[in-house]
Amino acid sequence: SAVISQKPSRDICQRGTSLTIQCQVDSQVTMMFWYRQQPGQSLTLIATANQGSEATYESGFVIDKFPISRPNLTFSTLTVSNMSPEDSSIYLCSYVVSAETQYFGPGTRLLVL
Amino acid sequence: AQKVTQAQTEISVVEKEDVTLDCVYETRDTTYYLFWYKQPPSGELVFLIRRNSFDEQNEISGRYSWNFQKSTSSFNFTITASQVVDSAVYFCALSGTNFGNEKLTFGTGTRLTIIP
Repeated sequence: SAVISQKPSRDICQRGTSLTIQCQVDSQVTMMFWYRQQPGQSLTLIATANQGSEATYESGFVIDKFPISRPNLTFSTLTVSNMSPEDSSIYLCSYVVSAETQYFGPGTRLLVL
Repeated sequence: AQKVTQAQTEISVVEKEDVTLDCVYETRDTTYYLFWYKQPPSGELVFLIRRNSFDEQNEISGRYSWNFQKSTSSFNFTITASQVVDSAVYFCALSGTNFGNEKLTFGTGTRLTIIP
């Protein structure tokens, strides 16, 4: 499997600010995804990051709040905009090749004060 | 709609005991994948196994084994001779098998604590 990394690994942010999380895979992959894991909860899919087109968002998530970029087949960013304490979560990116196994990045732990 | 149920929220066992984590799923797809992931305290999600719905053979990997029973829509995970390093949250998940249907539906997870 390809190596997948995320930056930053953790951050503490002030209410009302925005944070951009980067996800890098060391080889080209077809599909990339962004998940949110709120404290003590399971993972919820935010959106599918499509290369060369707009991301596809799941119900309850909107582009204005979670803009996503996918400029090429190895990289994606997720921005958490106008943050509130409710956005405190672990954000994970993942990739899949050939509609099979999803592999996850190490996650970004976000605390919003 | 897809759904994954992990009824066991937390389990604690003494080291070297065997432990089984339950997973029950619902899907209308005729073909699908089932997964188990491990999330240690560090937070990363570690892939453990993928099982295709066509393949009902049980699988063993070292101290880990998986029992897939399509008749009961279950995909249970057993750790034999548990160790402290097995302490983690374990997630069962389900996805489609076709391109464009890779979205993972996760269960709520089972927190496993191995007591030394």
